[in-house]
Amino acid sequence: DQQVKQNSPSLSVQEGRISILNCDYTNSMFDYFLWYKKYPAEGPTFLISISSIKDKNEDGRFTVFLNKSAKHLSLHIVPSQPGDSAVYFCAASGWDQTGANNLFFGTGTRLTVIP
Amino acid sequence: DSGVTQTPKHLITATGQRVTLRCSPRSGDLSVYWYQQSLDQGLQFLIQYYNGEERAKGNILERFSAQQFPDLHSELNLSSLELGDSALYFCASSARGTAYETQYFGPGTRLLVL
Repeated sequence: DQQVKQNSPSLSVQEGRISILNCDYTNSMFDYFLWYKKYPAEGPTFLISISSIKDKNEDGRFTVFLNKSAKHLSLHIVPSQPGDSAVYFCAASGWDQTGANNLFFGTGTRLTVIP
Repeated sequence: DSGVTQTPKHLITATGQRVTLRCSPRSGDLSVYWYQQSLDQGLQFLIQYYNGEERAKGNILERFSAQQFPDLHSELNLSSLELGDSALYFCASSARGTAYETQYFGPGTRLLVL
């Protein structure tokens, strides 16, 4: 059962425009959320995170929004650049049935920024 | 470069065989995580070690096992391999092993079972 879902497998955006990547989660106990970026032949790299006590976190061109009531978060990239073309994974931190605190990843969204 | 190294980069083997994947964490990191990424799937958490001890277990099959050695490197052993085990296997490390830390990922090992 996928607890973190990224329903758009791919997204294409023109250079300079805004990219919006979406993520939904099902477990209301998740309290920390992260976005990772992955280039081909490399491992994922951390991009930005947000705690459940906040609804927005900004870092340069990247902003993450959290809507706890909707169990939804989104990553905004403004302005989008060709170097942003990558696969973006949403992840959520939560407790599983064994009492361990694990990180749950979505399936990823492939962003293509068109020059 | 994340500082996490994984070997080998690629591995091709046959069904029924056993392989070992190796991971060296970033200098100073005590915790190691293993993830599996199958085609069109997200990263599935397999297992976590902290300073040599198993800390958390995810969707790891009984045919798979792992350990973390005193020098903090880790090995993931996959046995009785099946076609469905073909995937990218990532290792990640973090300083203290809490879920609120950034995990640093290695480049992955691509396993192909024929």
